[in-house]
Amino acid sequence: GENVEQHPSTLSVQEGDSAVIKCTYSDSASNYFPWYKQELGKRPQLIIDIRSNVGEKKDQRIAVTLNKTAKHFSLHITETQPEDSAVYFCAANSGGSNYKLTFGKGTLLTVNP
Amino acid sequence: GAGVSQSPSNKVTEKGKDVELRCDPISGHTALYWYRQSLGQGLEFLIYFQGNSAPDKSGLPSDRFSAERTGGSVSTLTIQRTQQEDSAVYLCASSPGRELYEQYFGPGTRLTVT
Repeated sequence: GENVEQHPSTLSVQEGDSAVIKCTYSDSASNYFPWYKQELGKRPQLIIDIRSNVGEKKDQRIAVTLNKTAKHFSLHITETQPEDSAVYFCAANSGGSNYKLTFGKGTLLTVNP
Repeated sequence: GAGVSQSPSNKVTEKGKDVELRCDPISGHTALYWYRQSLGQGLEFLIYFQGNSAPDKSGLPSDRFSAERTGGSVSTLTIQRTQQEDSAVYLCASSPGRELYEQYFGPGTRLTVT
């Protein structure tokens, strides 16, 4: 089955710096890669996703890059703010499934004012 | 509009007892998921319902776990003879249709087995 590895498990940055979280996946059939943000005590929410027909996608301060050859994808947050502090999860669809996601174990991002 | 709701928000039960967790998806969403989130872990897929199709139960960890979805809407996850390792947050999510799309999560049920 699909295996998604996420690094680092914790990340601390100063406000205004950039943050990068990286994920690798094992199933070459995967073609959908979402990122979810979970604030403390809250439910996970989708922040950005990318499909395998593109290599990069941006939405204001966040961007995701995908390298299908190397089977890894990354989340980039620029000009970080304290409200970006949360746990971020990457995911990939298993075996090219149109519904089943395998999640990474999460990255706790702390943005220090 | 109303989001995904779950009840109860917290459940403490004794080892060996049965528990039922409820999920109300967003109205009109045909896809419904259950996940388990243990401390420091990611979201572990448990089961998937899509309309009237047979559910994908491949993520259920043991035969003590079962789930139903009545009338294509509300779902209940039942854990029989609970064990301490079942302690976790159980999250439900719904999605509009058959294709991969944003999953809208509920607030979760925190289950503690003593």
